[in-house]
Amino acid sequence: IAGITQAPTSQILAAGRRMTLRCTQDMRHNAMYWYRQDLGLGLRLIHYSNTAGTTGKGEVPDGYSVSRANTDDFPLTLASAVPSQTSVYFCASSAVASDGTDTQYFGPGTRLTVL
Amino acid sequence: AQSVAQPEDQVNVAEGNPLTVKCTYSVSGNPYLFWYVQYPNRGLQFLLKYITGDNLVKGSYGFEAEFNKSQTSFHLKKPSALVSDSALYFCAVRDSNTDKLIFGTGTRLQVFP
Repeated sequence: IAGITQAPTSQILAAGRRMTLRCTQDMRHNAMYWYRQDLGLGLRLIHYSNTAGTTGKGEVPDGYSVSRANTDDFPLTLASAVPSQTSVYFCASSAVASDGTDTQYFGPGTRLTVL
Repeated sequence: AQSVAQPEDQVNVAEGNPLTVKCTYSVSGNPYLFWYVQYPNRGLQFLLKYITGDNLVKGSYGFEAEFNKSQTSFHLKKPSALVSDSALYFCAVRDSNTDKLIFGTGTRLQVFP
């Protein structure tokens, strides 16, 4: 079982280009999330999806879009990349525990540099 | 606003000594609290969580955390640190309005031989 995979591992991108970060999970989790990690700021939620076919905005959604066509995949798209989107991006999914809380499982991350 | 704070950017401890990584929170209602660890070039890994019940929660790799309601704290502890515990540790609290996790800024733990 792979858990959560992300691709690419790293990418250098010219400003203004379109980029899609891929995320796939094989745990059949309903909920999925995209975070960005920046030094001194911790992890901030970009977008989330509680179940296939639905998405929602997190804390920092501007400049990003997501889709959830099926349970396993949750791609994150930067329509026109800007340097401030240079960051490490983590995808996560959550298993609903029997006590009603969510434990999130994280992918290995994508390091994105926008020049 | 609901939030979580990790007041220390870095904690240094000698191997074999006890360690504490601090976390305080501010939420409406009952807090759901989590600790995650991030090793270099890896994603976050779940360590433990507090939902209800015993204030002392035991988790992976010998870590435990103590929930203190009066001090609104959830400090991570380990009786005897290992060099391999060196990593970045994140505290998180569930936002009662959105049901989403709010993460702290992280504390880098450095264990010296």
